[in-house]
Amino acid sequence: DAGVIQSPRHEVTEMGQEVTLRCKPISGHDYLFWYRQTMMRGLELLIYFNNNVPIDDSGMPEDRFSAKMPNASFSTLKIQPSEPRDSAVYFCASSWSGPYNEQFFGPGTRLTVL
Amino acid sequence: GENVEQHPSTLSVQEGDSAVIKCTYSDSASNYFPWYKQELGKRPQLIIDIRSNVGEKKDQRIAVTLNKTAKHFSLHITETQPEDSAVYFCAAFTGGGNKLTFGTGTQLKVEL
Repeated sequence: DAGVIQSPRHEVTEMGQEVTLRCKPISGHDYLFWYRQTMMRGLELLIYFNNNVPIDDSGMPEDRFSAKMPNASFSTLKIQPSEPRDSAVYFCASSWSGPYNEQFFGPGTRLTVL
Repeated sequence: GENVEQHPSTLSVQEGDSAVIKCTYSDSASNYFPWYKQELGKRPQLIIDIRSNVGEKKDQRIAVTLNKTAKHFSLHITETQPEDSAVYFCAAFTGGGNKLTFGTGTQLKVEL
């Protein structure tokens, strides 16, 4: 398996534009997580899914952020409209269900909002 | 919800010395504590983990200890090498699903 795949790897956009980040989890994993990493706030969990269903979105910063998982092999994180403070590295991770299971991270998307 | 505190935020050691990173957690129901290593520009990767029914676990030069009573756990790296230079994150697993709460990270620098 190629591991968790994210696209794009880098995204530069202007304030007010819509941004869509994409993630393909490892085949067979039934949990998918979206994290945001910044120097100031560290690694924050934004939302996670189990069997394509959102379980906890309490980390989503505001209504400008939305996430979907239409099937077991694809998820998106959308920011509309984007703001400079959204600049960060966004990681997607996946894991098998049950406790004690490692979360495998994707390579991340570095987002810069000008 | 769970809160994980991690110290120190930066740590500089000489090659060959030991390094210790400490974390505390707030939720006594937490039962799984992984440690992730993130090299510059790379993704976090699991290096070692410990379950709440175990007090210590070792894997070559790294070890993790857990004190459930005090609600703290630590990462120990012995005989540090330059390739150990990275950011290390502790995490605690609580409740349903596979939700982890991460510490704020420790930047470890191993100097020659």
